[in-house]
Order: sequence, then C-alpha cells, then structure tokens
Amino acid sequence: ETGVTQSPTHLIKTRGQQVTLRCSSQSGHNTVSWYQQALGQGPQFIFQYYREEENGRGNFPPRFSGLQFPNYSSELNVNALELDDSALYLCASSSRFGGAEQYFGPGTRLTVT
Amino acid sequence: QQQVKQSPQSLIVQKGGISIINCAYENTAFDYFPWYQQFPGKGPALLIAIRPDVSEKKEGRFTISFNKSAKQFSLHIMDSQPGDSATYFCAARRSDNFNKFYFGSGTKLNVKP
Repeated sequence: ETGVTQSPTHLIKTRGQQVTLRCSSQSGHNTVSWYQQALGQGPQFIFQYYREEENGRGNFPPRFSGLQFPNYSSELNVNALELDDSALYLCASSSRFGGAEQYFGPGTRLTVT
Repeated sequence: QQQVKQSPQSLIVQKGGISIINCAYENTAFDYFPWYQQFPGKGPALLIAIRPDVSEKKEGRFTISFNKSAKQFSLHIMDSQPGDSATYFCAARRSDNFNKFYFGSGTKLNVKP
C-alpha cells in the first residue's frame, strides 16, 4: 500500500505567476484535502475534493482552485501568486467522505519571490 | 478566530521525562480530535486520536486525555526520547462540515539526552 505522494518537492515562482501542485492519494482513499502551512504555523484548510467535486472550502480566495481525477489524484492551482503564498502545501487523503483518519503527504515547499 | 488553541509553543524535556501538550477548543460540534507529529521537511503524521465519548486513550507511550466539559484535551508522552523531538499539532474535526479539520499552532518539543 503506497502512501500519499506529492510533486514537486520544492518550487520557486515569481509574484504574479501561476503554479500547479500535484497529489496522489493513498491507495483506496477517495477524498483529498489541501492545506497551506506557513512557517511556524499549523496547517490551514484550503478545500476538499470528493468524487471529483469540491465539497468544502476554507478562507482562501478563488485564485486557489483544484481538480480531482477519476483515479482520486488531485491538483492544486494557484493563480496570480503573491509573496504571502510562500508556504508548505500539504495534501491529505482519507478513505471515504467523512472518514476520520486523514493521512498527509510530505508537502510541496513553494517560495514566491 | 482560532478554533483550536495549543500550548505551550515550545517545550524542553529531559530524556525519560513526561511531555505534556495542551489544547482547548470552543466549538462543541467537533467530534474527532487527532494529534499529529511533524519532523522538519516532512508532512504531519497521525499519532493518536480520540472521540469525545472517551476520556482517555493510550497507545504505547502516547496518551490523550480528554475533558469534554472543559473543552480541553492533552497529549502525554511518557518516557520521552530524543527521537520524539518534533513539532506536535492538535486538531479538531467537524464531520457535519465536510470533514474540515482545524489545527492548533503547534508545539516544538525538544527532548534532551
């Protein structure tokens, strides 16, 4: 059974650019959540995907968007990057919608200059 | 408004000692309370979790104590080891709110040899 994987590991972008981050959920998991973790802070919920649809969103602007694919993998897209978007972006998967146990990937470190 | 408040921000414990990290919450709709361990450069790893109908849960050296009336819960690490040095996050989940997790701000634990 493979765990949650994310790519790329690190990314450097310029303010105003767009970025796509990718996540493969743990085998058998059909729900994916994305979190932003600023340095020295706890993860902040961005949104969740289940059955290829967004079904919950935190306090993030529309320039944060996502996709989930039939194989349950997911993408996080961020448009018009701002300096404050620099953070560790974490993907977490769970086995069913509403499933309590949530498993995180290693994250993608995004730096916006 | 921070939904889950965690303390202390940092903790130094001698090897063999007991590490205690505390969290408090306000929303009585929370129904699942996990603790995560995070090493530098890694994603959070699920350590132990509890539901509000239980007052204590123990797994090896890790114990969660839960006080529903006070809306507080804590993590106790017995016989702390240098390998336990990491950042610990408490979290709380509302299953009636698309399985959204709220995280504390983290506690950096340093276990001295």
